[in-house]
Amino acid sequence: AQSVTQLDSQVPVFEEAPVELRCNYSSSVSVYLFWYVQYPNQGLQLLLKYLSGSTLVESINGFEAEFNKSQTSFHLRKPSVHISDTAEYFCAVSEWGSGGYNKLIFGAGTRLAVHP
Amino acid sequence: EADIYQTPRYLVIGTGKKITLECSQTMGHDKMYWYQQDPGMELHLIHYSYGVNSTEKGDLSSESTVSRIRTEHFPLTLESARPSHTSQYLCASSESRQGVEAFFGQGTRLTVV
Repeated sequence: AQSVTQLDSQVPVFEEAPVELRCNYSSSVSVYLFWYVQYPNQGLQLLLKYLSGSTLVESINGFEAEFNKSQTSFHLRKPSVHISDTAEYFCAVSEWGSGGYNKLIFGAGTRLAVHP
Repeated sequence: EADIYQTPRYLVIGTGKKITLECSQTMGHDKMYWYQQDPGMELHLIHYSYGVNSTEKGDLSSESTVSRIRTEHFPLTLESARPSHTSQYLCASSESRQGVEAFFGQGTRLTVV
């Protein structure tokens, strides 16, 4: 069965510093990978996704993630964070379930706290 | 604007009460899902639906039930709420293709006292 491990439960960082949120997955088949962001008292919003092609994917707000098949990782990075990036970040892998449905398996989340 | 809506956002209710959490989407998605999220924990799938009149149990056992009478509507019901049901419940929907993302509602935070 697939699983997702987010190695850091909390990441404190100062504003304008770089940040990396780590995500490893286990799977014996091809995967689709996602990063979702959850702001306080909100639902999850898609940040970026990897389906195929280029292993480096970018979001519109400066985040990027690199798919590394050999290391089964999909780490999220941003070169310079803002206070507004403070949120919970979830890594997820999509499994195509029997009967045809997208089953998203989530990691436990990483709380990014950006300090001035 | 296409979106997915959950009501209520917050609910505090007494033990033994029957509750229904509403979820509606305007994107025409066939697939809909309910996730349960406890603080500091990963999301767990508790129910999903392929389409109208289709419902299945997810990975995490739940005493709740769901129905899918209309494509856009996927309510979740607890016949008799207990404190152990206190959690956040997130509804989501997606297209019927591999690799597509799920779109989430804002969630319902349920507290049973």
